[in-house]
Amino acid sequence: GAVVSQHPSWVICKSGTSVKIECRSLDFQATTMFWYRQFPKQSLMLMATSNEGSKATYEQGVEKDKFLINHASLTLSTLTVTSAHPEDSSFYICSAAGAREGYTFGSGTRLTVV
Amino acid sequence: GQQLNQSPQSMFIQEGEDVSMNCTSSSIFNTWLWYKQDPGEGPVLLIALYKAGELTSNGRLTAQFGITRKDSFLNISASIPSDVGIYFCAGQPSGGSNYKLTFGKGTLLTVNP
Repeated sequence: GAVVSQHPSWVICKSGTSVKIECRSLDFQATTMFWYRQFPKQSLMLMATSNEGSKATYEQGVEKDKFLINHASLTLSTLTVTSAHPEDSSFYICSAAGAREGYTFGSGTRLTVV
Repeated sequence: GQQLNQSPQSMFIQEGEDVSMNCTSSSIFNTWLWYKQDPGEGPVLLIALYKAGELTSNGRLTAQFGITRKDSFLNISASIPSDVGIYFCAGQPSGGSNYKLTFGKGTLLTVNP
């Protein structure tokens, strides 16, 4: 089946630093990748949609300068949280959609900003 | 935008009992998906539904795509402790090229051995 690898699974960083999270589709080409944020005991909140080779489309209220998304290839998308603050601490999840594979989620990244 | 109402929010059941949860939408979807999420993990797809009226099973799980295309339910029969987790419904609105999913708020399932 379709596999999506997300790294790192957890990261702790200091306020003001930037953190990069990678999302890779291992065995299929992902025409579209999605980035979600999830707070404890809540549902997934879509942050942005990225298509390979084009700029990401951000959901309303999501700062594109703070959450930089790069979808450089059909198998890799990255989310960079710039100048992280404690309020950015959250669980970030990517998903990848292929032409035949549907939506497959990564295992998530727990970001803690101290 | 689309809204999904998922109920119940949480369930506490005894091992062996059957479980039912459902989602209703304010608008039509052309795909309904049911996911399970374990703590600290990403959601895992359980069942995908693509046609109104479709009834699909995956082991002890059964899900149906409502005829009105605005609702779906998931049943779990003979629950076991490893069924514990959060179950999410998700829908893709009609419109073809729009891949965005709308998620329900989740149902937290606790199974007492």
